[in-house]
Amino acid sequence: GESVGLHLPTLSVQEGDNSIINCAYSNSASDYFIWYKQESGKGPQFIIDIRSNMDKRQGQRVTVLLNKTVKHLSLQIAATQPGDSAVYFCADWSDGGNQFYFGTGTSLTVIP
Amino acid sequence: DAGITQSPRHKVTETGTPVTLRCHQTENHRYMYWYRQDPGHGLRLIHYSYGVKDTDKGEVSDGYSVSRSKTEDFLLTLESATSSQTSVYFCAISGVGHTGGTEAFFGQGTRLTVV
Repeated sequence: GESVGLHLPTLSVQEGDNSIINCAYSNSASDYFIWYKQESGKGPQFIIDIRSNMDKRQGQRVTVLLNKTVKHLSLQIAATQPGDSAVYFCADWSDGGNQFYFGTGTSLTVIP
Repeated sequence: DAGITQSPRHKVTETGTPVTLRCHQTENHRYMYWYRQDPGHGLRLIHYSYGVKDTDKGEVSDGYSVSRSKTEDFLLTLESATSSQTSVYFCAISGVGHTGGTEAFFGQGTRLTVV
């Protein structure tokens, strides 16, 4: 999981631009990673996942990159839209741990 | 949406009273989790279950207990509610794929206020 901060990191982007949200994890045994999107008043929603035997995975308008050397994960959103405004956070899982570890998240604001 | 239902969705209770939150799933997933979400802390694991009657503590388990008597239900109990337990509580479920963990699906959350 990530270290916990007191303040939620924020990212503002213009509509139509690409967004990159970053996440660092600490457990070198983590072998499965997920990005979630959480809109205000709702539960987290699955966006995309990646396993440790991959370094890149693409979905619809989203790409996740995994760098196991530096324990870093990123989420790229192409052509960001106002509906993408939300809090995004990553989670990691290790088979030996039986649980997910979540970061504190990044608040993305899309400027029309 | 994955078949997860949390009840109640909102609750206000008094300090010192017991409170039970319910999570019900229709996916037959093995793992069920209870998290709390507070500003600046993200999602923190309270307890989780890896099967019927099999539960374990998470990082913030003090003051909470859980029970799982059926695959589909996971109950979270606050034995004696305190103001520090005012939070939004999320239930999540996940299966185990052939290569390990699979995505966790979340419920809509329960907003609990302890006054």
